[in-house]
Formats: sequence, structure tokens, C-alpha cells
Amino acid sequence: GAVVSQHPSWVICKSGTSVKIECRSLDFQATTMFWYRQFPKQSLMLMATSNEGSKATYEQGVEKDKFLINHASLTLSTLTVTSAHPEDSSFYICSAREGHSNQPQHFGDGTRLSIL
Amino acid sequence: RKEVEQDPGPFNVPEGATVAFNCTYSNSASQSFFWYRQDCRKEPKLLMSVYSSGNEDGRFTAQLNRASQYISLLIRDSKLSDSATYLCALNRGSARQLTFGSGTQLTVLP
Repeated sequence: GAVVSQHPSWVICKSGTSVKIECRSLDFQATTMFWYRQFPKQSLMLMATSNEGSKATYEQGVEKDKFLINHASLTLSTLTVTSAHPEDSSFYICSAREGHSNQPQHFGDGTRLSIL
Repeated sequence: RKEVEQDPGPFNVPEGATVAFNCTYSNSASQSFFWYRQDCRKEPKLLMSVYSSGNEDGRFTAQLNRASQYISLLIRDSKLSDSATYLCALNRGSARQLTFGSGTQLTVLP
């Protein structure tokens, strides 16, 4: 149980393109979803926390107008990287948590984004 | 000071060796601690939670030292399949967000 699906797993696109990444909880309802970014040889850095039906809470230094997060249902959150540039190339990972904050986070497979 | 600090390694050990990783944290109010394993280009997978009294899962032992603000992971009888990056993490904030260390890379050699 507790499967989180992330799509696409790999995307390559031109600079200036907007890219949407989906994160779905397949067998549970995710009250809270998290988006992380990981650059090579670095740790996962939390970008934002989103609760279903409300605006995401962004970490310091993360531009909310560039990284649009929508958590419209209990099983789906999307991250849109708007007008992506090469410096946005990274590994983006979502996680989802059911119910109470003491529940564990379940991670998606990650999306490798390469901007040319 | 970073919230969570880890020695990045790499640790290269022979098969069968015992290896230990430490991770220090700066916020004494941190309550929950974890060790994750991350394979190259994959998502992190929870290896084990870390409890105050220490806990063991097979060849893996995790310990928490609140006084010195560090957690440790001990791997006994290491296998080739243990090669990965090991990330420590802790919960913070009202939403219990995870803060990760930078990871320690382990390579077990035949």
C-alpha cells in the first residue's frame, strides 16, 4: 500500500517552456503533499508544502510565481515550473502523507527535469 | 549552521565490514528522526525511524543522542547491495516537514 506515482519521470525541454509534474497518491488520500528538489550530490531541499484545497506554503527562497503548486484533490498535486531555464534543471520529488502529521511521508519516483 | 549535517563520505568498505554514519542536528527541539536510503537517480526510501532508546532492524542499528544532538546508523556485515547514499532526516514545524542531511555515500566493495 501507500503508493505515490509521479509523472513524467523524465522530461527534456527548451528554455522558456513551462513544465507540469503530477504527483498522485494511488491508494490513499493525501491530506498533505510536499515538493522537493535535489541538485546533483546535494540533499533534498523542501520547496513547498501543500494541503488539499488551500494555497501552498513555500520555503524561503522559493519563488511561488515560478513554481506553481495546485493541490485540488486528495489524490493529486501538480507542480508547474513556469518559463523554465537551465538552472531549473534538477530532480523534483514529491511526497504525500495521509491524515495526521505523525503519519509517514511516501515518496514518488521523482522527475528528472533537463532544460536545454 | 545547517539544520542537519552529515559527512558526505564517500565510505568505501569491503563486504562484511561494519560501518557507522553520524548525523548532527542543530535544533534541540527536534522530535522525530529517520534514516533514508537513496539509490542513484531514485527517490529516498525510509530505512528506519530512530527512537530514543535506540533500535535495531536486522543488520541495521540506529541510535539517538539528544545530549550531543546526533543520530547514528550502524550497518553490520555489509553487503554489496547496501551501496547507496544514506540520508538522515528530522521532522520540523507544525506540518512536520522533513529536513534532510546532505547524505553519506557508501560503496561496499567485493
